[in-house]
Amino acid sequence: GESVGLHLPTLSVQEGDNSIINCAYSNSASDYFIWYKQESGKGPQFIIDIRSNMDKRQGQRVTVLLNKTVKHLSLQIAATQPGDSAVYFCAENIAGSARQLTFGSGTQLTVLP
Amino acid sequence: ETGVTQSPTHLIKTRGQQVTLRCSSQSGHNTVSWYQQALGQGPQFIFQYYREEENGRGNFPPRFSGLQFPNYSSELNVNALELDDSALYLCASSFGDMNTEAFFGQGTRLTVV
Repeated sequence: GESVGLHLPTLSVQEGDNSIINCAYSNSASDYFIWYKQESGKGPQFIIDIRSNMDKRQGQRVTVLLNKTVKHLSLQIAATQPGDSAVYFCAENIAGSARQLTFGSGTQLTVLP
Repeated sequence: ETGVTQSPTHLIKTRGQQVTLRCSSQSGHNTVSWYQQALGQGPQFIFQYYREEENGRGNFPPRFSGLQFPNYSSELNVNALELDDSALYLCASSFGDMNTEAFFGQGTRLTVV
């Protein structure tokens, strides 16, 4: 079946560098996407969302890019900090499916001192 | 803090028993979704409640059931527990049944022995 997938299971970056976490999705009917951050022992924390009628959205230190042509989503974190270390999930919502979010398996981001 | 609270935080049950997990949604939210997250994986959608009615269900057997109350809090019930039901159970609240931000609680860690 169709699912959300992530290109890399782990990512290590130096503190202060920019991080880019990628996500591929295969369901062309998906029209809403969310990035979540999950720290150990906690629930997923909403970071940023984007709808399919947009290709870029910016938040505080984060930017999400959506390329519907190749069904690719990315999360950019500027000036990565130690507190950014966590597992990052992208999730998609298929149009008309209530708010059934389909999550990928996650990318573990480690920020090196 | 998301304003979504779940109880209990941890629970140990024996195979074959029944369990009830509880979720209080964020103020102003009328939609609650439940997810199961196995260790090392992304959350999987169980079902959603909107205005006290089930509004979508994932690929989970009928022994997973739920309720939503007039104050929009919710319960997840699991009957005839199996070892594979051991997981983190997450509740997410949002407003409406369209694509808007969904905020997660900290989860209930269920261990079935």
